Amino acid sequence: EAAVTQSPRSKVAVTGGKVTLSCHQTNNHDYMYWYRQDTGHGLRLIHYSYVADSTEKGDIPDGYKASRPSQENFSLILELASLSQTAVYFCASRWGGGNTLYFGAGTRLSVL
Amino acid sequence: GDSVTQTEGQVALSEEDFLTIHCNYSASGYPALFWYVQYPGEGPQFLFRASRDKEKGSSRGFEATYNKETTSFHLQKASVQESDSAVYYCALGANYGNEKITFGAGTKLTIKP
Repeated sequence: EAAVTQSPRSKVAVTGGKVTLSCHQTNNHDYMYWYRQDTGHGLRLIHYSYVADSTEKGDIPDGYKASRPSQENFSLILELASLSQTAVYFCASRWGGGNTLYFGAGTRLSVL
Repeated sequence: GDSVTQTEGQVALSEEDFLTIHCNYSASGYPALFWYVQYPGEGPQFLFRASRDKEKGSSRGFEATYNKETTSFHLQKASVQESDSAVYYCALGANYGNEKITFGAGTKLTIKP
């Protein structure tokens, strides 16, 4: 079973502040993803990566940066947090030869 | 771009009822199609997949058949239980190449005992 660990599990941030969400996977997967979950929108892709030191934009990248310093770690960075970024964020990973995603437990972010 | 449409935002049933959650997709070629389930406080987890036309995927009593003609992958279960209460997501991804995996808006299923 793939293990994807997110930290923190919840966070309260102030508008305009910097927020970093972290994700660590232990199954040697190639691909890692960041999704945000909002009621009525489901899961929307923010950024993804298929190799260390490289990231790609997803469907809603504006206001977010991503960093993949190693195969195991993938971070999502909000340089200037805004109220509209209040959501639950999920990290996921998968093996390069398959499509099945393994998700972390999520990070609940509240921007005040 | 690729997209997934789930018609029902919420479904409420009683135990032993028949379940159908509708999923339609828009994509080129033959995408892989998935169902994921999410329980409260957890991340989504893989339920099953299908990769080609007329293939049936199934798990835990749930099933769906890939239909390229109608671009659909509807989730069904013959007799639901209270423990099936969760949010269900339909998703698609390319069988080869494209790294994106696109999800629908989700359907919240509530089963009354």
